Amino acid sequence: DIQMTQSPSSLSASVGDRVTITCRASQAISNYLAWFQQKPGKAPRSLISAASTLQSGVPSKFSGSGSGTDFTLTISSLQPEDFATYYCQQYRSYPLTFGGGTKVEIK
Amino acid sequence: QVQLVESGGGVVQPGRSLRLSCAASGFTFSIYAMHWVRQAPGQGLEWVAVMSYDGSDKYYADSVKGRFTISRDNSKNTLYLQMNSLRPEDTAVYYCAKSLGSGYFNSFDYWGQGALVTVSS
Repeated sequence: DIQMTQSPSSLSASVGDRVTITCRASQAISNYLAWFQQKPGKAPRSLISAASTLQSGVPSKFSGSGSGTDFTLTISSLQPEDFATYYCQQYRSYPLTFGGGTKVEIK
Repeated sequence: QVQLVESGGGVVQPGRSLRLSCAASGFTFSIYAMHWVRQAPGQGLEWVAVMSYDGSDKYYADSVKGRFTISRDNSKNTLYLQMNSLRPEDTAVYYCAKSLGSGYFNSFDYWGQGALVTVSS
C-alpha cells in the first residue's frame, strides 16, 4: 500500500497568512494526487485533482503543486472560511489512501 | 446539481448486518465509477470500496474484504454497501463519493452528506 504523510498535522495561522501544507507519498505516484477540505460535522469537499487542477467552483487562492512523491497545497491568503482540516489522497493504485490530515486553526 | 444522499445508517449489534444506500441525481450515474469512504469518530478518512460504472468490477480495502459488498443499480441511480459481520471498529460515518471519470484511476468530485453507522452491543 502507498502511505501518504502530511505535515504539519496542525498549524495556527492568522487571516491573510499564506499557508502551505505538504504531502509525501511512500512511492512515486506521478500526479495522481487530490486534496480535500473538511469542516467539523460536514462532508469533505474536493479542492484539487491531478496535483494542481482546481475543481469547479474552488477559488483561485487554493493551489497545488508537485509530482512523484512530494506535493504541496497552498492557500494564498487565509480567510475565516478556510479554517478546516485538509487531506491529501493518492489514486495511483489501490487501495486508495489518504494522508492523516492537517488541521488549520485560527491563531 | 449533483446530489448524493446516503441512507440506511443506524445502531447495530456486533456480528449483525446493515445495508447503506446512496441515491444519486443531477448527473448520468451509469457512466461514473462510485466509491464508499468512511471516517471513524475523530479520525481521518479511510477509503472502503469502489465499483466500476457498469458494475463489472470492484475493489475493497483489506479491512472490509469478505465482509462488505458494494453494488449498484443503474436503473435506480443508486449505490449500495452491504455490511455483514459488523465489528465495533466499523463504527464511522460512511460517505459515498462520485468519481471524476468512468475509470478507476480518478479522484472524487462530489460527496454525500454521510450516514452514521454505530456498531455496539
